[in-house]
Amino acid sequence: GENVEQHPSTLSVQEGDSAVIKCTYSDSASNYFPWYKQELGKRPQLIIDIRSNVGEKKDQRIAVTLNKTAKHFSLHITETQPEDSAVYFCAASSGANNLFFGTGTRLTVIP
Amino acid sequence: KAGVTQTPRYLIKTRGQQVTLSCSPISGHRSVSWYQQTPGQGLQFLFEYFSETQRNKGNFPGRFSGRQFSNSRSEMNVSTLELGDSALYLCASSLGFGGPQSEQYFGPGTRLTVT
Repeated sequence: GENVEQHPSTLSVQEGDSAVIKCTYSDSASNYFPWYKQELGKRPQLIIDIRSNVGEKKDQRIAVTLNKTAKHFSLHITETQPEDSAVYFCAASSGANNLFFGTGTRLTVIP
Repeated sequence: KAGVTQTPRYLIKTRGQQVTLSCSPISGHRSVSWYQQTPGQGLQFLFEYFSETQRNKGNFPGRFSGRQFSNSRSEMNVSTLELGDSALYLCASSLGFGGPQSEQYFGPGTRLTVT
């Protein structure tokens, strides 16, 4: 089955700096890569996703890049704000609705 | 449009009992997936239903089962509860599968504690 690895497990940045979270996957059949943000005690929220026919996608301060050859994808958050503090999960799927999640990155933005 | 809802939000059960959790998807969504979230194992896929049929199943024992009704609402059942079943159970709904239809939106979860 699919195995998704996520790094780092914790990340602290100063407000206004950029944050980068990286994930690798093992199954070359995976073609859908969403990112979720989970605040303490809340549900995971879909913040951005990318499909295998696209190399990069941006939505305001958030961007995701995908390298299918190397089987890795990354989340980039620019101009971080305190409200970006949360746990971020990457996931991979081969088109069926069974997401394989990374272990999460706890992002802390220091004001 | 209302989001995904789950009931109950909190549940305390004793070892050996069984439990049923409910999930109502976003209106118009026909696929419901269930996940277990624990500090040790993270988010793990349990199963997925589409049009009342189980399409995918994760690597969980047969004590975990589910079903989906004609209105797309879904239930999951855990029988003979074990202490290790204590977790946050999340359901996620999507329009369907493949392409943009597979975007999954999560409910608030049911926090199950087994004592």
